[in-house]
Amino acid sequence: KAGVTQTPRYLIKTRGQQVTLSCSPISGHRSVSWYQQTPGQGLQFLFEYFSETQRNKGNFPGRFSGRQFSNSRSEMNVSTLELGDSALYLCASSLGVLQTGYTFGSGTRLTVV
Amino acid sequence: AQKVTQAQTEISVVEKEDVTLDCVYETRDTTYYLFWYKQPPSGELVFLIRRNSFDEQNEISGRYSWNFQKSTSSFNFTITASQVVDSAVYFCALSETSGSRLTFGEGTQLTVNP
Repeated sequence: KAGVTQTPRYLIKTRGQQVTLSCSPISGHRSVSWYQQTPGQGLQFLFEYFSETQRNKGNFPGRFSGRQFSNSRSEMNVSTLELGDSALYLCASSLGVLQTGYTFGSGTRLTVV
Repeated sequence: AQKVTQAQTEISVVEKEDVTLDCVYETRDTTYYLFWYKQPPSGELVFLIRRNSFDEQNEISGRYSWNFQKSTSSFNFTITASQVVDSAVYFCALSETSGSRLTFGEGTQLTVNP
């Protein structure tokens, strides 16, 4: 059974650009969550999608957005990149029912220069 | 608001020593879930255990054991006879049933020296 796949693994962008990260959940999982990990702030929840609807959202500016497709794959987008957006972005998938647990991908390491 | 505190930022032990990682949480919910994840240098968060708030039974899995005490809001993790491969950052996390987000602690960097 394939795990959670995140692409790309590494990304370097320039300030002001935008970026799109992709996450393919485990087959059958309908919930996809996104987290940002930085040395200063630790692991912080960005948002969660379930059956193509945003079900929960963390405390991030509107530059951070996401969506989920009918096949449960999810993308997150960050517009007008800032240096502080440099981080490891982790995606987690779950069945989305009764807190069955979350399986994480290997993450996308974004560097903004 | 929910909160998870891992007071130990870094722990260094010698191989074969036992080590306990502390986790204290705060939540207003009566139903919630607690997790431990391991993050090796590769970056992926590896699931170790999930425990719901109604199940205070301690659990042992090989060299790993977990002690859940609602009275002190703690969910501590012990590694017995540590090995070099146990070196990683360990995160404790909390999820309330009213939401689907995980609230993570700051993480504990465990280094096991040969």
